[in-house]
Amino acid sequence: QKEVEQNSGPLSVPEGAIASLNCTYSDRGSQSFFWYRQYSGKSPELIMSIYSNGDKEDGRFTAQLNKASQYVSLLIRDSQPSDSATYLCAVKASGGSYIPTFGRGTSLIVHP
Amino acid sequence: GAVVSQHPSWVICKSGTSVKIECRSLDFQATTMFWYRQFPKQSLMLMATSNEGSKATYEQGVEKDKFLINHASLTLSTLTVTSAHPEDSSFYICRAMQGAAYEQYFGPGTRLTVT
Repeated sequence: QKEVEQNSGPLSVPEGAIASLNCTYSDRGSQSFFWYRQYSGKSPELIMSIYSNGDKEDGRFTAQLNKASQYVSLLIRDSQPSDSATYLCAVKASGGSYIPTFGRGTSLIVHP
Repeated sequence: GAVVSQHPSWVICKSGTSVKIECRSLDFQATTMFWYRQFPKQSLMLMATSNEGSKATYEQGVEKDKFLINHASLTLSTLTVTSAHPEDSSFYICRAMQGAAYEQYFGPGTRLTVT
């Protein structure tokens, strides 16, 4: 059973702070990792993907992957109230699988 | 990016009736479409995978006779919830795959409420 674990939160941070979201996964053979943002009542939208160990930066977002420890994280710098949403971690295994396993998501609240 | 639409965006129906949800890829051909269900504060649960012109593959625990999936063309897949009950009330989201497996796009979702 492939599992993707996230703390459901809510994680509350002040505006301008760094929000740190974490995700662990059970399948050591996982190769592709994604972060989605989901606003209430909306479908998820892809914000970051990462495939190799280390950091990947895109604007205010940085994804960090550590395959040895089986975790992936998302950092949001200069958090804004508009970043308030649920962040879903998704993991895809190797071997040609194209169906990711989603975590339950972490609710982030950025307060002014 | 590619656009996927769903119709209707929300629907209220009475218990025992059937509801059809459409998922369309507007500017690309989707060889594979996925249907998800999401209950409040829960994760996305994959219900089934449908390939154009063939029968859908259902995940364990999903009743294929209750959730009918048709993928008749490369741009349209439909999910029909038959004999709906209040416990079927949920957010249903489709996801279309274009070309390479990494290119997958979510539809906006359909909120189903069964009274």
